[in-house]
Amino acid sequence: AQSVTQLGSHVSVSEGALVLLRCNYSSSVPPYLFWYVQYPNQGLQLLLKYTSAATLVKGINGFEAEFKKSETSFHLTKPSAHMSDAAEYFCAVSDSGNQFYFGTGTSLTVIP
Amino acid sequence: SAVISQKPSRDICQRGTSLTIQCQVDSQVTMMFWYRQQPGQSLTLIATANQGSEATYESGFVIDKFPISRPNLTFSTLTVSNMSPEDSSIYLCSGGTSGVLGELFFGEGSRLTVL
Repeated sequence: AQSVTQLGSHVSVSEGALVLLRCNYSSSVPPYLFWYVQYPNQGLQLLLKYTSAATLVKGINGFEAEFKKSETSFHLTKPSAHMSDAAEYFCAVSDSGNQFYFGTGTSLTVIP
Repeated sequence: SAVISQKPSRDICQRGTSLTIQCQVDSQVTMMFWYRQQPGQSLTLIATANQGSEATYESGFVIDKFPISRPNLTFSTLTVSNMSPEDSSIYLCSGGTSGVLGELFFGEGSRLTVL
C-alpha cells in the first residue's frame, strides 16, 4: 500500500526566506511522487512530479523537490518565498499512476 | 494537460435533498475520480468513475449515497443524495492518464453547504 506523511500542517516563513515542506512516503514499489498546490477557493494545481528520472525535480514558480530513496522523502523547497506562495500544499504518491494517495496537506503562510 | 470544468461551483442545499455535480474534461482521459475535501482536511477519494459501468467506491462510500455516472471519456456526474450537514464539503473532480507519465488534473471544486 502507498501513503504519504506531511510533517507540519502549518508552516510560516518570512518573505524571501527558504521554504521547506516535508513529505515522506511509503510504497512497496518504485513510486511516482507529486506536489500539488491549492490556492484559496481553487482546485489543485500540479507543481511538479517525480517519475523515476532525475532525482531533483524542478517545477513551476521556482519550486523544486528532491527524491531521496534512502530517506523515503520528497521534500519541497523554494529558495526565496514570495507572498503569492501562500497556499495549501499536498504531497501525493502513486504506484502505477492509476491510484493517487494524498497527504494531509501543509498550509504555508508567508510573512511580509 | 487537461482542463476540468465543474458545476455548480457552490451551492447551499436543504437537508434531505440531493444535488448533482457535473464534471467536463476538455480532452480524453483514461481515469476520472471524485474526491471530497472537508474543511481544513486533505482529499479523500470517494470513487473511481468508470466509463459505461458502475463506479468503484472506496471504503466508507456507497453507491446509494453517492451515485456516479460516466457515460463517456470526458464527462461524469456525482450526486450527493439525501444530504445532511455532514455532507458539507468541497467535492473535486479529477482526471488524468495512467502510466509512467500519469498525473491528475483537478477541477476547481464544488463547495456544498447543507443547512
